[in-house]
Amino acid sequence: NAGVMQNPRHLVRRRGQEARLRCSPMKGHSHVYWYRQLPEEGLKFMVYLQKENIIDESGMPKERFSAEFPKEGPSILRIQQVVRGDSAAYFCASSPVWKPRGRDTQYFGPGTRLTVL
Amino acid sequence: GQQLNQSPQSMFIQEGEDVSMNCTSSSIFNTWLWYKQDPGEGPVLLIALYKAGELTSNGRLTAQFGITRKDSFLNISASIPSDVGIYFCAGSTQGGSEKLVFGKGTKLTVNP
Repeated sequence: NAGVMQNPRHLVRRRGQEARLRCSPMKGHSHVYWYRQLPEEGLKFMVYLQKENIIDESGMPKERFSAEFPKEGPSILRIQQVVRGDSAAYFCASSPVWKPRGRDTQYFGPGTRLTVL
Repeated sequence: GQQLNQSPQSMFIQEGEDVSMNCTSSSIFNTWLWYKQDPGEGPVLLIALYKAGELTSNGRLTAQFGITRKDSFLNISASIPSDVGIYFCAGSTQGGSEKLVFGKGTKLTVNP
């Protein structure tokens, strides 16, 4: 039973390039969450998606960042025109479709470490 | 926005000792989760708490959901070297199926 998968594990981009981070949720999960972690910090929520829908994007920067979770394929977090401040670890989490009410949880992938030169 | 205060920031202990860490919030949470993160990896879920006052164990780990719903603690008994890592508390105002708010972590070092 594969866990949450993310790729690439490491990504290096130069300033101004685009970064695309992919996340495949656990089997049977249709809720996907993206978080960002700076060194020595906790994780900060960015966006919550279900298939073809953005449910909560309150943690997403208003410019250059976008996320999607298409009907087929992985969820994508896209960062356009990257800057040095975008360097961080980006984690994806997933949770199941059917769950006892009020007893949900999120399972995390291994993360993508983005370095902007 | 919501914040979780996690303490201590770091701990240095001898193998075999017990460990305790906690999280407090200024607002109420309906779910508390405890994760462990190893270097270069993602957080791994240790314990999930869904009810005020709930006390749950997972092997040598025990966690409690505070009665006020504004705090939680995690205890590790008889620590071993593989307990080394960063422990995070996280809370959500719903059943975990929405954004999690994370503490800044407790870095645990265990000396053999």
